[in-house]
Amino acid sequence: NAGVTQTPKFQVLKTGQSMTLQCAQDMNHNSMYWYRQDPGMGLRLIYYSASEGTTDKGEVPNGYNVSRLNKREFSLRLESAAPSQTSVYFCASDRGTSEAFFGQGTRLTVV
Amino acid sequence: AQSVTQLDSHVSVSEGTPVLLRCNYSSSYSPSLFWYVQHPNKGLQLLLKYTSAATLVKGINGFEAEFKKSETSFHLTKPSAHMSDAAEYFCVVSETSYQKVTFGTGTKLQVIP
Repeated sequence: NAGVTQTPKFQVLKTGQSMTLQCAQDMNHNSMYWYRQDPGMGLRLIYYSASEGTTDKGEVPNGYNVSRLNKREFSLRLESAAPSQTSVYFCASDRGTSEAFFGQGTRLTVV
Repeated sequence: AQSVTQLDSHVSVSEGTPVLLRCNYSSSYSPSLFWYVQHPNKGLQLLLKYTSAATLVKGINGFEAEFKKSETSFHLTKPSAHMSDAAEYFCVVSETSYQKVTFGTGTKLQVIP
């Protein structure tokens, strides 16, 4: 029973490098989300996708892009990483009943 | 606009004693409210949710929360703390769809043996 799977779990990048965080869910959920978690700030929404083929900005989208590849997969891309993007990133999905299921997170450090 | 305030960033209790984690919210509409738990290096797990049914909501692992509209509060309680309850807890408010949720800043619960 996989739920929401994120890869990688850990990553260190140099400033200016690019990378893509992958997320897949096997629960047939329509909506998927990317959050970042920083100490003392709770979780903040970066982007979300209400259905396959659609994406929308959340609270903190600058410096990120997303792709909803299909119903299962929602990727987050950092084109040119900055130290301010050091954070823990969570992917989540929900079926429209206001209960979200979260992945285990990706801990990203940008040096 | 909606907002949520978790009144304590850290709470420390002894094992076997009651737990109270406080959450106040602000919302222009009738909100949905949630509590999530995050164990170290893990994702978030839903503990319980209020969506305009019964005001006393029971969740997993013996936790419950009471929605008090007059006080705009949704405090999380448990009668007897267990060592495995040590984690960070997030109060979340949503006015419409889940796309419009707001997370609190979290309360770290420490359980002392």
